[in-house]
Amino acid sequence: KQEVTQIPAALSVPEGENLVLNCSFTDSAIYNLQWFRQDPGKGLTSLLLIQSSQREQTSGRLNASLDKSSGRSTLYIAASQPGDSATYLCAVWRLSGGSYIPTFGRGTSLIVHP
Amino acid sequence: AAGVIQSPRHLIKEKRETATLKCYPIPRHDTVYWYQQGPGQDPQFLISFYEKMQSDKGSIPDRFSAQQFSDYHSELNMSSLELGDSALYFCASSPVANEQFFGPGTRLTVL
Repeated sequence: KQEVTQIPAALSVPEGENLVLNCSFTDSAIYNLQWFRQDPGKGLTSLLLIQSSQREQTSGRLNASLDKSSGRSTLYIAASQPGDSATYLCAVWRLSGGSYIPTFGRGTSLIVHP
Repeated sequence: AAGVIQSPRHLIKEKRETATLKCYPIPRHDTVYWYQQGPGQDPQFLISFYEKMQSDKGSIPDRFSAQQFSDYHSELNMSSLELGDSALYFCASSPVANEQFFGPGTRLTVL
């Protein structure tokens, strides 16, 4: 059974810092890995999707890497801003019965203070 | 661009009542997924449908049922509600075997 762990569970940093959020998974037979952002009580916003054959994806100040063999992914946030404050969820996808089903981590709760 | 629509956005029910949550997928997406996220928890997959047929089943209680209609919208029916059913319920849609797009969620509170 796939297990996804995110470290740290919570992070509080001053504005401007570069951050690394970690995600590890136990079963390397994944279809892809996706990072989401979730604001309190709100829905999931997709940030980056990395196919299993890819090593990294970049979007603006965000960069996500994937090392399938070691079961790890990192989300790098450059020059953090207060607007980045949210919970960041990592999800790994597997193929099951014709559907692609995600297993989510518990998330990293990020606070960026001015 | 059109997104996944969920209704209602908020719902308050008493214990033992029933609730129906609706999901309208992005046009031309034929697959719908339902997830439950309890307070402080990660989202848990409940059930999925492809072309109006159930395609996969996760940790969905027997008290819950769902279906996908001819217009591809889906409904999650929840009966004999319990306090522990209070959660954020997400729907996601995708073209077959592709990236899922999540709706804003329905927050269900059971009193």
